[in-house]
Amino acid sequence: GAVVSQHPSWVICKSGTSVKIECRSLDFQATTMFWYRQFPKQSLMLMATSNEGSKATYEQGVEKDKFLINHASLTLSTLTVTSAHPEDSSFYICSARDEGGGEKLFFGSGTQLSVL
Amino acid sequence: EDQVTQSPEALRLQEGESSSLNCSYTVSGLRGLFWYRQDPGKGPEFLFTLYSAGEEKEKERLKATLTKKESFLHITAPKPEDSATYLCAVQVAGSARQLTFGSGTQLTVLP
Repeated sequence: GAVVSQHPSWVICKSGTSVKIECRSLDFQATTMFWYRQFPKQSLMLMATSNEGSKATYEQGVEKDKFLINHASLTLSTLTVTSAHPEDSSFYICSARDEGGGEKLFFGSGTQLSVL
Repeated sequence: EDQVTQSPEALRLQEGESSSLNCSYTVSGLRGLFWYRQDPGKGPEFLFTLYSAGEEKEKERLKATLTKKESFLHITAPKPEDSATYLCAVQVAGSARQLTFGSGTQLTVLP
């Protein structure tokens, strides 16, 4: 099946620094990728829809200036958490759809961000 | 507002003890209902997609069914390796094709 690679798996950073998370579709092209956030024992909450070659679409309540999304190619989307604070600590997961494989989404393995 | 509710929140079974997980939904128009399995610290793993009421799909010990209001994930003779959180998600017609997830059922199968 289709594979989505997410990197890094975990990151620890100091408050005020920025962190970049990469999401790659390894064997298919994805014009659209999705970024989710998950708190412990809670479900996935959609943050934004990443569109190749255009601006991302953010969900209500998500700060676009804090969570910068770039979808520079058909196989790569990045999420940058700018000026991270402890409340940004969370599990971030990306997903992508293989346009030739129906409606199912394939997910990355997630990134655990801890801001000290 | 589209809503997805899963029950129970947590379920503990003995190995071999069959049971069902429930996912009820209220959406303006269902395009598809998805079941995923998520292990701790990992991204969700795709299990099934159901598109219309009456549809059923099976994979090993798992069977998913769909009605107009809910979906069930039946687990037959579970094994400890089936322990995970099972997530239900809906894709709404006319949306940007993203998924709306339920809160999940944490399944523990004891040996």
